[in-house]
Amino acid sequence: NAGVMQNPRHLVRRRGQEARLRCSPMKGHSHVYWYRQLPEEGLKFMVYLQKENIIDESGMPKERFSAEFPKEGPSILRIQQVVRGDSAAYFCASSYTGGAQGEQYFGPGTRLTVT
Amino acid sequence: GENVEQHPSTLSVQEGDSAVIKCTYSDSASNYFPWYKQELGKRPQLIIDIRSNVGEKKDQRIAVTLNKTAKHFSLHITETQPEDSAVYFCAAPPQGGKLIFGQGTELSVKP
Repeated sequence: NAGVMQNPRHLVRRRGQEARLRCSPMKGHSHVYWYRQLPEEGLKFMVYLQKENIIDESGMPKERFSAEFPKEGPSILRIQQVVRGDSAAYFCASSYTGGAQGEQYFGPGTRLTVT
Repeated sequence: GENVEQHPSTLSVQEGDSAVIKCTYSDSASNYFPWYKQELGKRPQLIIDIRSNVGEKKDQRIAVTLNKTAKHFSLHITETQPEDSAVYFCAAPPQGGKLIFGQGTELSVKP
């Protein structure tokens, strides 16, 4: 049973470009969460999605960031016009049960570097 | 707002000693408390969790205790080994599913 998959594992973008990060949840999981980890810091919640729905986006920056989880295919975190401060590791997690009791399992992360 | 405080930020122990990491949370609605281990450059890995209907849970050398009245929970690692060296994060989800993480504890186990 494959775990949570993320790609690419490493992504380099120049300032002003777009970054697209993909996350495929564990088989049978329909809840996806995105977290950001800045260098030497902890994990910060960004957004929680179920298939075709955004459940909670309270941690998403208001501009340039968007997320989706379509009926078919992986969840996508999109960052437009990247800036140096966007350089971080972006992790997604998935759970079988949503809400406050679901065990969340993390993918390997995408390490974004903005030059 | 939602907040999780974790202490200490760094912890160094000798192999074979015990390690204890403590967290406090602010949201009374939280009733599920996971702990994650993250090795350098790797993903956070769920190592143990506890739900609010129990006060303690143990899995081999790892145990977690919960005091809902005081809003704090702790991770206990006994007979530490060098491979336990990592950053450990506690978390608490307020209602809704997102995890609010503590700041992390860098555990170093010296052989």
